[in-house]
Amino acid sequence: GQQLNQSPQSMFIQEGEDVSMNCTSSSIFNTWLWYKQDPGEGPVLLIALYKAGELTSNGRLTAQFGITRKDSFLNISASIPSDVGIYFCAGHPRPNAGGTSYGKLTFGQGTILTVHP
Amino acid sequence: GAVVSQHPSWVICKSGTSVKIECRSLDFQATTMFWYRQFPKQSLMLMATSNEGSKATYEQGVEKDKFLINHASLTLSTLTVTSAHPEDSSFYICSGSGGANSPLHFGNGTRLTVT
Repeated sequence: GQQLNQSPQSMFIQEGEDVSMNCTSSSIFNTWLWYKQDPGEGPVLLIALYKAGELTSNGRLTAQFGITRKDSFLNISASIPSDVGIYFCAGHPRPNAGGTSYGKLTFGQGTILTVHP
Repeated sequence: GAVVSQHPSWVICKSGTSVKIECRSLDFQATTMFWYRQFPKQSLMLMATSNEGSKATYEQGVEKDKFLINHASLTLSTLTVTSAHPEDSSFYICSGSGGANSPLHFGNGTRLTVT
């Protein structure tokens, strides 16, 4: 089946540094989602991308939908301690995926982010 | 934004008993909700798709008689882990979408520990 390769697996950074993580796939995805999961909680949607080449920001977060539709990256600028958590990318083969189609959502393995004050 | 409420947050039960986990969509109607299982430091694994008013669709390898799913209304889906065993201990997360063109939102998860 489809797979998403997310890297890096983990990152240890100092507060204030910028962070970059990405997901790649051997097959095309037409919707990309980025989630953050705090310990003991469910994932929270950060950014949703629906168009190839799209660059979207949410505060200090910026994500891009790769032009080839086989990759996406997430950047976090000026990291703070509360950025700690696991970040997941998720992809879907359909454009503007929603509703019942999410049964085919594919998740990356996650990036564990640790921020040292 | 869309809110999904999951209850309980954590539960400890004895081996052989059954546990019910509730998932509610608070500000949208969800004809479809999804149940995931997550082991420590791993990604989410889809267990089943819960369909309002009809039977759930289970992923390969998930026992439908062990993980009973009921989706009786547009805002409530339940997962019952029957005759729980220690290997069922895990983090269970539900999710839902408001429909076409709506992103997927997750509940806060339920930590199940079977002793």
